[in-house]
Amino acid sequence: DQQVKQNSPSLSVQEGRISILNCDYTNSMFDYFLWYKKYPAEGPTFLISISSIKDKNEDGRFTVFLNKSAKHLSLHIVPSQPGDSAVYFCAAPVPDSWGKLQFGAGTQVVVTP
Amino acid sequence: SQTIHQWPATLVQPVGSPLSLECTVEGTSNPNLYWYRQAAGRGLQLLFYSVGIGQISSEVPQNLSASRPQDRQFILSSKKLLLSDSGFYLCAWSKRRVLNYGYTFGSGTRLTVV
Repeated sequence: DQQVKQNSPSLSVQEGRISILNCDYTNSMFDYFLWYKKYPAEGPTFLISISSIKDKNEDGRFTVFLNKSAKHLSLHIVPSQPGDSAVYFCAAPVPDSWGKLQFGAGTQVVVTP
Repeated sequence: SQTIHQWPATLVQPVGSPLSLECTVEGTSNPNLYWYRQAAGRGLQLLFYSVGIGQISSEVPQNLSASRPQDRQFILSSKKLLLSDSGFYLCAWSKRRVLNYGYTFGSGTRLTVV
């Protein structure tokens, strides 16, 4: 049961433009969301998170928006840089679990010059 | 500060050979430990998790096994590798209450079974 979905497997964006990555979830009990960034041959690293009590969290060039009614969140990267080329995973802790994180399938972002 | 070490970084093994990947965590105690696999072009698949020494739970049936002989040591093993075991293996740790903290991942092991 894929409770966190990233329906766009890839995204290509020009350097300097905005990258928008989308994530949908089905479990209304999710109350916290995280984004991870992964380069090839490396482990994912934490990027940014958002609590369900907020609808926006910003950290430098990265902003995450949460729409609880739509069960949708998005990650905006502005401006996009070549170093942003990576796979981005959306994740949510499963409530009342042993610590399980439910990951989306990931979106490959390619930033072109 | 907490660190996680995973080795080896790359491994090429013949079909039918055994496997042992090791992961250790420093700077914390009683962590949750996880083994993930990322197959080519796919997302992260949780293989095993452990909430304590000797406690292993498997998320998917497969050719692999895991063990936790010490609090901060997690081992992924196989007696006989299959071609389908090829992939990028990631170890991760988290605090017991993972909510709001997420996982910290190791650098991964690229396993190629030939």
